[in-house]
Amino acid sequence: ETVMTQSPTSMSTSIGERVTLNCKASQSVGINVDWYQQTPGQSPKLLIYGASNRHTGVPDRFTGSGFGRDFTLTISNVEAEDLAVYYCLQYGSIPYTFGAGTKLELK
Amino acid sequence: QVQLKETGPDLVQLTQTLSITCTVSGFSLTTYNVHWVRQPPGKGLEWMGAMWNGGGTDYNSAFKSRLSISRDTSKSQVFLKMNSLQTDDTAKYFCARHPPYYYYSSYILFDYWGQGVMVTVSS
Repeated sequence: ETVMTQSPTSMSTSIGERVTLNCKASQSVGINVDWYQQTPGQSPKLLIYGASNRHTGVPDRFTGSGFGRDFTLTISNVEAEDLAVYYCLQYGSIPYTFGAGTKLELK
Repeated sequence: QVQLKETGPDLVQLTQTLSITCTVSGFSLTTYNVHWVRQPPGKGLEWMGAMWNGGGTDYNSAFKSRLSISRDTSKSQVFLKMNSLQTDDTAKYFCARHPPYYYYSSYILFDYWGQGVMVTVSS
């Protein structure tokens, strides 16, 4: 099974800042990575698929990058509505696996 | 519009069997794939398995042989059945839609999710 390690576990930010969330795969997964955002009590929401493709309707302040084992999600000009938990998902091999999440909080 | 709705019991007894139904609308199960994902309280997401649009299935081996996914296309329903429940199966169970390859190439993505159903396993 491919283990996805997300870092940091949590991070504090201020509105308007730029933050980078990381996800590292235990083996190469190519570009088979998505990013999801989950706010409390809600279902996850797709942000990025195929490592770098922004899903329809996702603001362009969200940018995904990476290939192989290392992936990042960058949020530019953080807004209050971005405070959430972010999960990466790999689908390079079954079982598909999620990272443990990064919680983005307000400083 | 696209909707997925999970229905199932709030409470299941230890060692018993869990049955959850995902009823979809706004799309066809013979076109779109449906996956199951669960989330224990306060914890992360875990992929459980998939019902592919052609009727095949894939499972997370972590559930060994106690998980079964099936469907009734005429009713637009996908079913999750898991036996021998333990307390660590307490979780919110989600179904999620995955578009066919001709929309997003070979990428796997979950573009619509149900609200989830919270299931507690009680001793």
